[in-house]
Amino acid sequence: EDQVTQSPEALRLQEGESSSLNCSYTVSGLRGLFWYRQDPGKGPEFLFTLYSAGEEKEKERLKATLTKKESFLHITAPKPEDSATYLCAVQAARDSNYQLIWGAGTKLIIKP
Amino acid sequence: GAVVSQHPSWVICKSGTSVKIECRSLDFQATTMFWYRQFPKQSLMLMATSNEGSKATYEQGVEKDKFLINHASLTLSTLTVTSAHPEDSSFYICSATSGSAYEQYFGPGTRLTVT
Repeated sequence: EDQVTQSPEALRLQEGESSSLNCSYTVSGLRGLFWYRQDPGKGPEFLFTLYSAGEEKEKERLKATLTKKESFLHITAPKPEDSATYLCAVQAARDSNYQLIWGAGTKLIIKP
Repeated sequence: GAVVSQHPSWVICKSGTSVKIECRSLDFQATTMFWYRQFPKQSLMLMATSNEGSKATYEQGVEKDKFLINHASLTLSTLTVTSAHPEDSSFYICSATSGSAYEQYFGPGTRLTVT
């Protein structure tokens, strides 16, 4: 069964304290792994797509990496505005409708 | 690029009435659109997938006669909640893909409250 597990559920950091969020997945044939950011009361905002093991992508203070079993979202020197829920999702290569299988998310809180 | 809008952003309706939510892709043609429901502090729950000009495919447990989805054009999909009840109160979010990329781009969501 295709599954996505994110850890930790919540993470509290001081401003400037770097850390990583984990997304473990099992899927029969990965088409892509996606990271989104969601602020309260808003729709998810697309961050990254990763397609194959070893791939890395960066955007400002965020860097996403991918292995055959998991992905990490590294956040470097975070600021309070980085506080949000970060969602990970995978898409199976066999799915012709491009549906996403979602993790439960990690709520990130950055304290000033 | 890849902007999706939803209207209205929030709506309050009385039990037994119907509510229509619009989802538009503003700068790309959306070959596939998705409708999600999200409860507080929970992840996204897929309700249905629709392709332009075709009937929507509903997820198990989602009543297709209650949640009517129309994807009449490559830029517009609508979700109509018929005979709404308080238990239908939720945050509804749409997303869209262009067909040339695998990412889903999301609208800002619609908060529905049924009294």
